[in-house]
This record gives sequence, structure tokens and C-alpha cells, in this order.
Amino acid sequence: EPEVTQTPSHQVTQMGQEVILRCVPISNHLYFYWYRQILGQKVEFLVSFYNNEISEKSEIFDDQFSVERPDGSNFTLKIRSTKLEDSAMYFCASSVKQGSAGYTFGSGTRLTVV
Amino acid sequence: DAKTTQPNSMESNEEEPVHLPCNHSTISGTDYIHWYRQLPSQGPEYVIHGLTSNVNNRMASLAIAEDRKSSTLILHRATLRDAAVYYCILRGSGGGADGLTFGKGTHLIIQP
Repeated sequence: EPEVTQTPSHQVTQMGQEVILRCVPISNHLYFYWYRQILGQKVEFLVSFYNNEISEKSEIFDDQFSVERPDGSNFTLKIRSTKLEDSAMYFCASSVKQGSAGYTFGSGTRLTVV
Repeated sequence: DAKTTQPNSMESNEEEPVHLPCNHSTISGTDYIHWYRQLPSQGPEYVIHGLTSNVNNRMASLAIAEDRKSSTLILHRATLRDAAVYYCILRGSGGGADGLTFGKGTHLIIQP
């Protein structure tokens, strides 16, 4: 069964450093997403990406965040200057369609900011 | 997105059927009903989705009320591996908000 692959599985970084989280969505999917889950809290939507541009972003997705699809397979989330409160699990997801198809999630990257 | 209401937790015995309810009284005509689950220390996993008719797949069945204001996820024979948080989420079929809005879901406990 096709999978969404995320790397690394765990990233530790110092406050103020830039991090890039990587995702390889399912190859025939067109919609790509990032979510995060702070320990013990709900899964929160960050951003959706379609046709090489952001289609929607939440209030969490401020100027320190950016997304990119640098080639035909990778989808990245960059956090420019990490803060302690950015520590969370970050999940990438993809879908072939909006709404009328399921979303496939990756197993996540645990980001720890120290 | 329209709001959904689920019980905080449910408990069932292994090898018995489980019926997980979800109320969505403000659902719109174009909203799909999605179910996801999250096993401990894992990412959300797609379970099933539907619009109006009942749906079956290898993981579960989805029973949708005739007025679409509620739905029930049915696990026909629960195993210990089905212990997870189950989320009922409404999603439009296009245009407007795109991200899934996760609530607290139902924490399903399976007793051996």
C-alpha cells in the first residue's frame, strides 16, 4: 500500500535554528498538507498546498513557516527560527482530491527544540 | 467546517463489534463524513468516508443516518490493535477551507 514518507523521524535543534522537515507524498496525489500535534493536544492543521502554491493556511502558520515542493516528489516544511513552543510532532499528509477522498498521513517527525 | 460531537471514550471487549457514534447536526449537503484514527505514538490513519450511502471497506463500515445528522463507525470484530482515538471529521468537496479540523475524538479502549 502506498505510503507518505517523512524524514527525519526525530530532529533535535537549538532555539533560533532553522529546520527543514521532509515529506514524500504518494506519487499520484495532488494535495499536500502539514499538521502538527503538541504532546497531549489535538492534531492541528498548518497548511495545504496545491498546484505549487499554498491554498490555505491556519493562524499557526506565520512568517516563520514556509513550504516548498522543490521537485516532483518532495514536500518540505521549513521553520526559520525555531522556538521552544515549536516542539511537536509534525505530520505530512496527501490526498488525490479534496474532501471526496481520504487523506494519507505520514508517521511524523518529532521536533524537539532545546 | 461544521462541528462534530463524539463521546470522549468508549470501552469494548475484544472480538465484539464496536459502534462509535458521531453527531453532526449542522452538516451541509456537500460535506463528506470522514473517520480517522490515531494509534498511540502514530500519525492519523484514514479509516473510511462517505457522503450519503452506507460504506464498507476492509477496516470498517460507516452507517449514515438518512438525514445525515449523525453517523456511526462500525468495527465488526474489535481487536486489541483497534485501541486508538477515533475522529469523525466533516470535509467539503472543494473550495473554501481545506484542512481537516481534528477534535478530541473518542478514545476506544479494548479489553482482552
